Amino acid sequence: AQTVTQSQPEMSVQEAETVTLSCTYDTSESDYYLFWYKQPPSRQMILVIRQEAYKQQNATENRFSVNFQKAAKSFSLKISDSQLGDAAMYFCAYSNSGGSNYKLTFGKGTLLTVNP
Amino acid sequence: GAVVSQHPSRVICKSGTSVKIECRSLDFQATTMFWYRQFPKQSLMLMATSNEGSKATYEQGVEKDKFLINHASLTLSTLTVTSAHPEDSSFYICSALTGALFEKLFFGSGTQLSVL
Repeated sequence: AQTVTQSQPEMSVQEAETVTLSCTYDTSESDYYLFWYKQPPSRQMILVIRQEAYKQQNATENRFSVNFQKAAKSFSLKISDSQLGDAAMYFCAYSNSGGSNYKLTFGKGTLLTVNP
Repeated sequence: GAVVSQHPSRVICKSGTSVKIECRSLDFQATTMFWYRQFPKQSLMLMATSNEGSKATYEQGVEKDKFLINHASLTLSTLTVTSAHPEDSSFYICSALTGALFEKLFFGSGTQLSVL
């Protein structure tokens, strides 16, 4: 079974600075998807960024970028120019690709605090 | 953008009663819906996957007779917690998938269930 590990229960960052959230995963598959989701106090799950394992190029979405190291099974999220609105719980997630299996396996989350 | 509506957002019930939670895709047809459970300050755990017109597939350890899932149409899935007990108190989140792309996966806003 696939597992997702987030080793940082909490992180804090000063507004306008950069922070990196860590995620490692375990799988025997060669093709899969990785995600970062944001869950603010409203508890609505918001997709931050998605990476397909077969793509070597790291995904980026504005201030959010990932460092995908397939051999090391590592998938970290970098948030640049942190804003107060970035404060939330961040979940790393994994899914197999192909067929009809779109189940997500989530890590335990990292609570990000942004200090003004 | 696509919206998944989940109702009610919060429900309090007495032990022994049943509670129904609805998950609706408002502007798209959901071929597959997922139900997750989230305990306080913990991750999302997949409970079951439902496809329109067929029986739900439950994850290991989830009691299918206790958590009844019905996906009667392409826009509606329901989760009924039968004979609820205090240990069933949790945050329940649905997600809906249209087509076969992760770009088309959307989450509902969740339901906080409190069983007294």
